[in-house]
Amino acid sequence: AQTVTQSQPEMSVQEAETVTLSCTYDTSESDYYLFWYKQPPSRQMILVIRQEAYKQQNATENRFSVNFQKAAKSFSLKISDSQLGDAAMYFCACRNNNAGNMLTFGGGTRLMVKP
Amino acid sequence: SAVISQKPSRDICQRGTSLTIQCQVDSQVTMMFWYRQQPGQSLTLIATANQGSEATYESGFVIDKFPISRPNLTFSTLTVSNMSPEDSSIYLCSVGRTGAGNTIYFGEGSWLTVV
Repeated sequence: AQTVTQSQPEMSVQEAETVTLSCTYDTSESDYYLFWYKQPPSRQMILVIRQEAYKQQNATENRFSVNFQKAAKSFSLKISDSQLGDAAMYFCACRNNNAGNMLTFGGGTRLMVKP
Repeated sequence: SAVISQKPSRDICQRGTSLTIQCQVDSQVTMMFWYRQQPGQSLTLIATANQGSEATYESGFVIDKFPISRPNLTFSTLTVSNMSPEDSSIYLCSVGRTGAGNTIYFGEGSWLTVV
């Protein structure tokens, strides 16, 4: 079994500033993927960024980057130059590659962006 | 990317009735997943639907309450039976893409309110 924990129920950031969302996970598998999803009020789950566990290099997608610490089982998301449109629920998720495409989600972090 | 269409997008249901949610994918996939997101909560996997076999349910979910059909590789339905207010949730279907993309996609979700 695997677990994903997001310790910050809510976070706030000033527009144009940088914010980091925390995520820790626990899995006994060696082959897994980690994801950050964004869920705006529209409810659509939008993939933000993906990290393969076997890759040491941290994934980056434009203003979004991760700090992947495999030994510590930590997978934080950094959002740079925050925009009003970044306001949403953010979910960290883990996929065990031996279990197909099933995801285990963290509890979510609500991000508010102040103008 | 995968295009996933879910119907209905939203519905208000009477207590004791049943509702079937449809999920249509734009290409063939082996496994489809159904998740539930209760108000203010994270996503919880209900079941995995494989074409040609019975769905596999997670702990706490049973076939009598959430029957699933998977008649072909692009379509699945989830029925929420004998609904009570506790079933008020967003229900999402999900599929995965293996290979270089290795991404998991979600439908837009079906927001059910039971009154």
